[in-house]
Amino acid sequence: QLQLQGSGPGLVQPSETLSLTCSVSSGSISSSSYYWGWIRQPPRKGLEWIGNIHYSGSTYYNPSLKSRVTISVDTSKNQFSLKLSSVTAADTAIYYCARFVRTCSGGSCYSHYLDYWGQGTLVTVSS
Amino acid sequence: SALTQPPSASGSPGQSVTISCTGAGSDVGAYNYVSWYQQHPGKAPKLMIYEVSKRPSGVPDRFSGSKSGNTASLTVSGLQAEDEADYHCSSYAGSNNLLFGGGTKLTVL
Repeated sequence: QLQLQGSGPGLVQPSETLSLTCSVSSGSISSSSYYWGWIRQPPRKGLEWIGNIHYSGSTYYNPSLKSRVTISVDTSKNQFSLKLSSVTAADTAIYYCARFVRTCSGGSCYSHYLDYWGQGTLVTVSS
Repeated sequence: SALTQPPSASGSPGQSVTISCTGAGSDVGAYNYVSWYQQHPGKAPKLMIYEVSKRPSGVPDRFSGSKSGNTASLTVSGLQAEDEADYHCSSYAGSNNLLFGGGTKLTVL
């Protein structure tokens, strides 16, 4: 059974950079059939897609966060990471790492659903 | 913009309940790529429905999905106590963008 384990600081100072890593076990991150990415959930609110990455390095970001987000992959460690810069209190949320199923059609590839989720990491932005 | 879901829904054990998810012609209305996730308190979401009406292995057939125009729906039939949870819809919105709804809290009375 595929497992995703997120890790990183639970407290980040305002204006600093949030950094999280997701370790994948019982499955390879180097599969062409999937993307790997991040979803967040502010307290008592809905889910928000942050972005995802293919093992080849192709990245896709939520337009509303694109200027502050970087997602990277380390295939040798079977891990991928999230960096979110210039954080404010509005970035306080549970951050989930997840596997996105990749679909290719008409020469384009994209993802439209997630089939495995990590347990979530609560990140609080506060001084 | 996020998809629109009712904040709450409820039903008695054995009854059916339907949760709606309204988007636009550029997302829900444009693609048959709506998915639904169940989330129990303190837990990660779990995929229940993908591509509007398909169920992953292990999801009971009491859960079904449909779509009409810009609105997708999740129906839970034969409600059971363990179905009490938050339900989130999601839709592909083109250009590798994914939208979510605000979530619906389902209460089993």
